[in-house]
Amino acid sequence: EVQLQESGPGLVKPSQSLSLTCSVTGYSITSNYWGWIRKFPGNKMEWMGYISYSGSTSYNPSLKSRISITRDTSKNQFFLQLNSVTTEDTATYYCARRNLYYGYFDYWGQGVMVTVSS
Amino acid sequence: EIVLTQSPTTTAASPGEKVTITCLASSSVSNMYWYQQKSGASPKLLIYSTSSLASGVPDRFSGSGSGTSYSLTINTMEAEDAATYYCQQWSSNPLTFGSGTKLEIK
Repeated sequence: EVQLQESGPGLVKPSQSLSLTCSVTGYSITSNYWGWIRKFPGNKMEWMGYISYSGSTSYNPSLKSRISITRDTSKNQFFLQLNSVTTEDTATYYCARRNLYYGYFDYWGQGVMVTVSS
Repeated sequence: EIVLTQSPTTTAASPGEKVTITCLASSSVSNMYWYQQKSGASPKLLIYSTSSLASGVPDRFSGSGSGTSYSLTINTMEAEDAATYYCQQWSSNPLTFGSGTKLEIK
């Protein structure tokens, strides 16, 4: 069974970097696409970006200057780094598997709440 | 960016009642996906490619639509269907989600 698990600090100070890890079991990240999605207080959801089976990346243009998604295939993990965070980056962050051919996410992690505050 | 506007924002239905949630796109999309998110849980895929039921999803759920107008229907509301529902498109980059519809049980 495919399982994803996010981990990382729940509190980040403004202007610092937010770093999260998604650990995947039951499926290799060298197949499919692997993405990050966040849900803001108030329910708005935003796709942040993904890393492909080959290691190529695609980012939401709204974040392009601040975001980086990388991976460690030996550990079957992928990572999110978001730089220069503000309080507006406070959200629940999810990692998810995107279907290879279509644009939907079929497996999700349980999510990690990240608060940006001094 | 394609903006997806869902209606209603919030609604309530009695057990056995039919529920329809609409998702309007700011530009034409070729496919729509639907998710259900219960409180404290991660989103769950319900519908893919506009009208195909994801694995394990009860057949009281259905999806339809084309162009800029799509809908999710619950044929007979059950208490376990109380959740927030989101539409999502990826016909155009960036991938976007709808504004969400909170469905409560009466």
